[in-house]
Amino acid sequence: EAQVTQNPRYLITVTGKKLTVTCSQNMNHEYMSWYRQDPGLGLRQIYYSMNVEVTDKGDVPEGYKVSRKEKRNFPLILESPSPNQTSLYFCASSLRWGVYEQFFGPGTRLTVL
Amino acid sequence: TQLLEQSPQFLSIQEGENLTVYCNSSSVFSSLQWYRQEPGEGPVLLVTVVTGGEVKKLKRLTFQFGDARKDSSLHITAAQPGDTGLYLCAGRPPGSARQLTFGSGTQLTVLP
Repeated sequence: EAQVTQNPRYLITVTGKKLTVTCSQNMNHEYMSWYRQDPGLGLRQIYYSMNVEVTDKGDVPEGYKVSRKEKRNFPLILESPSPNQTSLYFCASSLRWGVYEQFFGPGTRLTVL
Repeated sequence: TQLLEQSPQFLSIQEGENLTVYCNSSSVFSSLQWYRQEPGEGPVLLVTVVTGGEVKKLKRLTFQFGDARKDSSLHITAAQPGDTGLYLCAGRPPGSARQLTFGSGTQLTVLP
């Protein structure tokens, strides 16, 4: 089944404790992206990657890191999480950048205490 | 960052009624997409419009892209409880096909 998977689905952590949210797609997509969703603000793009080893900042990149060492994986790293990073995170992929459908993962609900 | 404003933010209607959701911006977009998101899931693409004035129909849903490519609307005819969800518009700025800007969403509830 073609899909985007994220792990974990739920995470509660404390300020400053490094964490990684994994994202994997099995559709051989070139383009991958991370979003955060907050009430009243919609989805805001954190980082995106047009292909392996090519990443760029989205609208809200502060406090986050990403890497794209393999085509299928695009992990999101929070080196020192803070409470304002409490949010619902979505990973998405599409065939390539441009007017293509984005396929979203199921989301990761992160709470930083 | 180019902004997309959606209205209304919340909409609760009875089954069988018609409704329209709006997505507006002061900026031009090269394309616009509509997604629907259900609780506990990621958004799912409904349609992509790329030409000013374009109208697309998906069963009871009609999507229109404004002539100036600054706005879009989603019209649902004879709404059903299965239409309940969060509707999001997302635009791609000209010359920046790399990023997608999302609106804040319209939460639709269709009561049986």
